[in-house]
Amino acid sequence: NAGVTQTPKFRVLKTGQSMTLLCAQDMNHEYMYWYRQDPGMGLRLIHYSVGEGTTAKGEVPDGYNVSRLKKQNFLLGLESAAPSQTSVYFCASSRSAGRSYNEQFFGPGTRLTVL
Amino acid sequence: AQSVTQLGSHVSVSEGALVLLRCNYSSSVPPYLFWYVQYPNQGLQLLLKYTSAATLVKGINGFEAEFKKSETSFHLTKPSAHMSDAAEYFCAVYVGGANSKLTFGKGITLSVRP
Repeated sequence: NAGVTQTPKFRVLKTGQSMTLLCAQDMNHEYMYWYRQDPGMGLRLIHYSVGEGTTAKGEVPDGYNVSRLKKQNFLLGLESAAPSQTSVYFCASSRSAGRSYNEQFFGPGTRLTVL
Repeated sequence: AQSVTQLGSHVSVSEGALVLLRCNYSSSVPPYLFWYVQYPNQGLQLLLKYTSAATLVKGINGFEAEFKKSETSFHLTKPSAHMSDAAEYFCAVYVGGANSKLTFGKGITLSVRP
């Protein structure tokens, strides 16, 4: 099992450019998440999905869009990148949520710089 | 809404010394609590979790944490630090329910001196 994988690992964008980050998991998990990590801020939830075809906003969704067309993939899009979106992005997945919490498994991260 | 407080951003200990990383939480219902570790340029890895069973939880790499409801704390300890323990540590809280999320603290960087 590869677990949770993310592509690309690094990316540099210019302000106004767009890009898509891909997250893939091979654990048949229902739930998937996108976080951003900034120094001194911990991890903050951007968007999440509770199943194929469904997405929902997290704590910091502005400037991002997501899609979950296939159960194993969760895409994070930046339509017009801004320097404030310079961050490390982590994808995670879990078997379920609700009261019966299941562990979230994290990918290795994507380091994005917006100039 | 739940929250997590990790006081301070950096802790430095000598190799072989006790490691103590503090975490306090706020929750209106019984929480699940977690400690994650992040090694440089890597993703997060679960160290240990409290899910309302035993209040003293043992995790990987010799770490343990004790849930103290009266103090709303879940401090992480290790009796003897090793150089390989140098990393960033995150405490997180989860309270369940339809729209509940995993809420992270800001993280603490642990340095280990030779």
